[in-house]
Amino acid sequence: AQTVTQSQPEMSVQEAETVTLSCTYDTSESNYYLFWYKQPPSRQMILVIRQEAYKQQNATENRFSVNFQKAAKSFSLKISDSQLGDTAMYFCAFWGSSNTGKLIFGQGTTLQVKP
Amino acid sequence: DTGVSQDPRHKITKRGQNVTFRCDPISEHNRLYWYRQTLGQGPEFLTYFQNEAQLEKSRLLSDRFSAERPKGSFSTLEIQRTEQGDSAMYLCASSFTVGSTEAFFGQGTRLTVV
Repeated sequence: AQTVTQSQPEMSVQEAETVTLSCTYDTSESNYYLFWYKQPPSRQMILVIRQEAYKQQNATENRFSVNFQKAAKSFSLKISDSQLGDTAMYFCAFWGSSNTGKLIFGQGTTLQVKP
Repeated sequence: DTGVSQDPRHKITKRGQNVTFRCDPISEHNRLYWYRQTLGQGPEFLTYFQNEAQLEKSRLLSDRFSAERPKGSFSTLEIQRTEQGDSAMYLCASSFTVGSTEAFFGQGTRLTVV
């Protein structure tokens, strides 16, 4: 069975600084995707960034980038130039080709961006 | 189409009552998922549909829970004889079929059982 672990329940960062959220996962599959989702307070979950396991290049979306270490089964999210609107709960999620489409989520990291 | 919508947003019910939630997915999406999220935790998969067929159910989905998706459009999730442990956020998501990995989430229905 696949598992996703986020070991940082809470983190904080000063506005304009950089922060890295950690995620590790376990799977025996070779074909899978990893995601970071953002869930602002009382708002819906939205996709931040996606990484295909077969791609060696780390995904980047504007201020968001990942460090994907396949052998170590590590998938961290780096947020550069943090903004107040980045305050949210962040979830790492796994999707495997045998998962029938369902996502397996980590426990989440609450990120507070301070002015 | 403004995305996945869920109704109601909040529901307070007494223990033992039945409740039903509705999810309207993005219209072109033929996959629909239900997740449950307790406070401070990540969402846990409950069940999913491809069109009108319910293809997988989690062991979390006890026999008090039932989900339907008539005609492959909207979906309902019913909880019978609610218990305090059912208090959670119930999230609905939709996506295209195999080949697309992005799931779009609704804002959820927060259930409180008193």
